[in-house]
Amino acid sequence: EVQLLESGGGLVQPGGSLRLSCAASGFTFSTFAMYWVRQAPGKGLEWVSTISANGGTTYYADFMRGRCTISRDNSNNNLFLRMDSLRAEDTAIYYCAKGLILGVFDHWGQGALVTVSP
Amino acid sequence: QSALTQPRSVSGSLGQSVTISCTGTSRDVGNYKYVSWHQQHPGRAPKLMVYDVNKRPSGVSDRFSGSKSGNTASLTISGLQAEDEADYYCCSYAGPDRFVVFGGGTKLTVL
Repeated sequence: EVQLLESGGGLVQPGGSLRLSCAASGFTFSTFAMYWVRQAPGKGLEWVSTISANGGTTYYADFMRGRCTISRDNSNNNLFLRMDSLRAEDTAIYYCAKGLILGVFDHWGQGALVTVSP
Repeated sequence: QSALTQPRSVSGSLGQSVTISCTGTSRDVGNYKYVSWHQQHPGRAPKLMVYDVNKRPSGVSDRFSGSKSGNTASLTISGLQAEDEADYYCCSYAGPDRFVVFGGGTKLTVL
């Protein structure tokens, strides 16, 4: 059974930094692209970032480019998202998701809440 | 404003069918087969229901079906059940620059 467990969320001040982690199990982690998708309170889903299976290629949404870094540790089946210069509008639940094919993800974690507030 | 346009809400009676539309452009929905639909119940993580326009993951009911014509994709839910009441989001690959775009979500109410 595929399991994705996010951690590292919490309250951070504007301008601060945070690193989210996602522990994966139940599949061969190193052979699938991975995604981060967020959802602001009461709002819709918004793609944040993608990393290829071997970690060699990364993609970022315009609103995050230059402020975050996606990475992965295929030895330990972990996905990361480092976010800097956080703003109030970055407040959201951040989900990690397992890639299936291009632009499609077939399993989601339960999410990690990030709150950016003074 | 979301890149893909969905109706904010739809409703249908138990046992009936409903269709949710998702309109994009030739840079996303119209140009790629990688259109998917995700279901989200309140307080829960989303769940993939349809991908590649009209394929279903293992375990998803065949009451859920997808289609696409031009820049518009559609999700049809037949034989509506109470547990189908949820938010539905369409999603499309949009090339290496934008990568993935979502619709704003559609709230399905089962009457």
